[in-house]
Amino acid sequence: QVQLQESGPGLVKPSQTLSVTCSVSGSSISSGAYYWTWIRQHPGKGLEWIGYIYNGGTTSYNPSLRSRLSMSLDTSRNRFSLRLSSVTAADAAVYYCARGRAGSFHFDSWGQGTLVTVSS
Amino acid sequence: SYDLTQPLSVSVALGQTARINCGGNSIGSKSVHWYQQRPGQAPVVVIYRDSNRPSGIPERFSGSNSGSRATLTISRAQVGDEADYYCQVWDSSTAVFGGGTKLTVL
Repeated sequence: QVQLQESGPGLVKPSQTLSVTCSVSGSSISSGAYYWTWIRQHPGKGLEWIGYIYNGGTTSYNPSLRSRLSMSLDTSRNRFSLRLSSVTAADAAVYYCARGRAGSFHFDSWGQGTLVTVSS
Repeated sequence: SYDLTQPLSVSVALGQTARINCGGNSIGSKSVHWYQQRPGQAPVVVIYRDSNRPSGIPERFSGSNSGSRATLTISRAQVGDEADYYCQVWDSSTAVFGGGTKLTVL
């Protein structure tokens, strides 16, 4: 059974870089069958797709975040990461990692989410 | 950018059928996925590719998609179905979510 678990800083200062990691068990991030995805949810709001990484490092990012965003894979530890630079209060949200299934392209497994607050 | 429109809220009497719509330009030509998010929990897919149920999702959940509207149907609604529901599609290699619908079971 696949499990995803986010780990993040909890609190980030404005203008700094947010880094969140998703540890995966029960599924290999090296598999070309999945897209390793980040999604966020602002407090009391809906879901916003951030982007994905797959198959050795190919990425696709939300155009609204692309200039500040990078994702990476750590195959040795079976985990993937998100870095978002120059954060503002608008980046405060619950960040979810999810597994996207190639072919059907739906998100079939999700982490529990990690809350990130932006404050000085 | 591609927009998906959902009603903010839908109410259904216990044991009756709830229908949650998701509107989008020619959405019938896309694959629609539906997610359920209970309070304080992560989303869970309940329907993928318009009408497919993942294992573990009750048969009471079904989906359809045609023209400019996709619909999630929940039959014999239960208190446990109270949640936010989101539709999702892909457009130009970007995942797009609807704004979400809060389902209340009366």
